[in-house]
Amino acid sequence: GAVVSQHPSWVICKSGTSVKIECRSLDFQATTMFWYRQFPKQSLMLMATSNEGSKATYEQGVEKDKFLINHASLTLSTLTVTSAHPEDSSFYICSAGLAGGDEQFFGPGTRLTVL
Amino acid sequence: AQKVTQAQTEISVVEKEDVTLDCVYETRDTTYYLFWYKQPPSGELVFLIRRNSFDEQNEISGRYSWNFQKSTSSFNFTITASQVVDSAVYFCALSDFNTDKLIFGTGTRLQVFP
Repeated sequence: GAVVSQHPSWVICKSGTSVKIECRSLDFQATTMFWYRQFPKQSLMLMATSNEGSKATYEQGVEKDKFLINHASLTLSTLTVTSAHPEDSSFYICSAGLAGGDEQFFGPGTRLTVL
Repeated sequence: AQKVTQAQTEISVVEKEDVTLDCVYETRDTTYYLFWYKQPPSGELVFLIRRNSFDEQNEISGRYSWNFQKSTSSFNFTITASQVVDSAVYFCALSDFNTDKLIFGTGTRLQVFP
């Protein structure tokens, strides 16, 4: 089946630093990748949709200058949390989809803790 | 607007009991997909099922079964003879046909006690 990896699986950083999270589709080419955020005991909330070679589309309320998304190739998308603050601490999950497909394949998630 | 409602926040059962997790959705699309995912404590989402809007046949997979009823906009999930390993948060989700975006419900935390 389709496999999506995320790196790192967890990260602890100091307030004010930037953190980059990678999402890779290992055995297929993903034209679209999605980034979700999940706070403790809450649901997954879509942050942005990322298409290869174009700018990401952000959901309402998500700061595009704070959460930088790059989808440079069909197998890699990155999310950079810039100037992270404790309120950005969350579980970040990516998913990847095929062109014209209807199923998303989820990565294992990255747990970010900002001190 | 599209919406997924999982009214049950938490359910606790004793092993071997049957349990049904409810999911009600709202959409104006005539073509859409419905999903169920399991999220164990590790956090990784486990895909359970995808159902398209034109297929109302119920599905059974081992101890799992799903009841899709368009008339009531529901897509309920039943676990038969529950086991401790079934303890997790279960999410129902609806996909937007045009954008492939997934709209998740708030999840139901299932605890199965020995």
